[in-house]
Amino acid sequence: GAGVSQSPRYKVAKRGQDVALRCDPISGHVSLFWYQQALGQGPEFLTYFQNEAQLDKSGLPSDRFFAERPEGSVSTLKIQRTQQEDSAVYLCASSLADRGISYNSPLHFGNGTRLTVT
Amino acid sequence: TQLLEQSPQFLSIQEGENLTVYCNSSSVFSSLQWYRQEPGEGPVLLVTVVTGGEVKKLKRLTFQFGDARKDSSLHITAAQPGDTGLYLCAGDKDAGGTSYGKLTFGQGTILTVHP
Repeated sequence: GAGVSQSPRYKVAKRGQDVALRCDPISGHVSLFWYQQALGQGPEFLTYFQNEAQLDKSGLPSDRFFAERPEGSVSTLKIQRTQQEDSAVYLCASSLADRGISYNSPLHFGNGTRLTVT
Repeated sequence: TQLLEQSPQFLSIQEGENLTVYCNSSSVFSSLQWYRQEPGEGPVLLVTVVTGGEVKKLKRLTFQFGDARKDSSLHITAAQPGDTGLYLCAGDKDAGGTSYGKLTFGQGTILTVHP
């Protein structure tokens, strides 16, 4: 079975450009998370979706960051006017649980998109 | 802010040695997870511990959740080169809160096992 798929795997953007990162969760997974992982650090929470509803966006660093999941499956993380500090790996994770994760429905992570802003 | 402090940050050992990685916090977590991450890949769940004092074993890996649910440890016996990777602990909402998987990760421990 397919896992969580993210595209592109690598993205190089010039400072000021807009980027869009895509996440295809495992089919049927209700919960979807975005995390940001800076070099040498653990992932940090960005936002959480339950189906198409964005229930928590408290981790988004600024209003330049926007995420959507309009049909409750594919999600897109958009970063406007990219800055050098946005350089990181962006991880998407999904879970079958209808409220985040549970003991029997853990998070499944994709391999991430490595964003480099020059 | 809930912080998870992992130690050590780097660990370089010879094949066959034992090691322990620690994950500490001043906050209480309803559950704690350990992940392993390889370069260029996402974290992969190793184990979830939910009960204070719980010990779980996964082949040569032993995981323990502290009695107060504020800390955890990962012990690897007879490490092998295949164990090389980034080990991350992650806590899920403090006890009494509504848990939905908004994980707080430690900064990770980079383990290198030399043949």
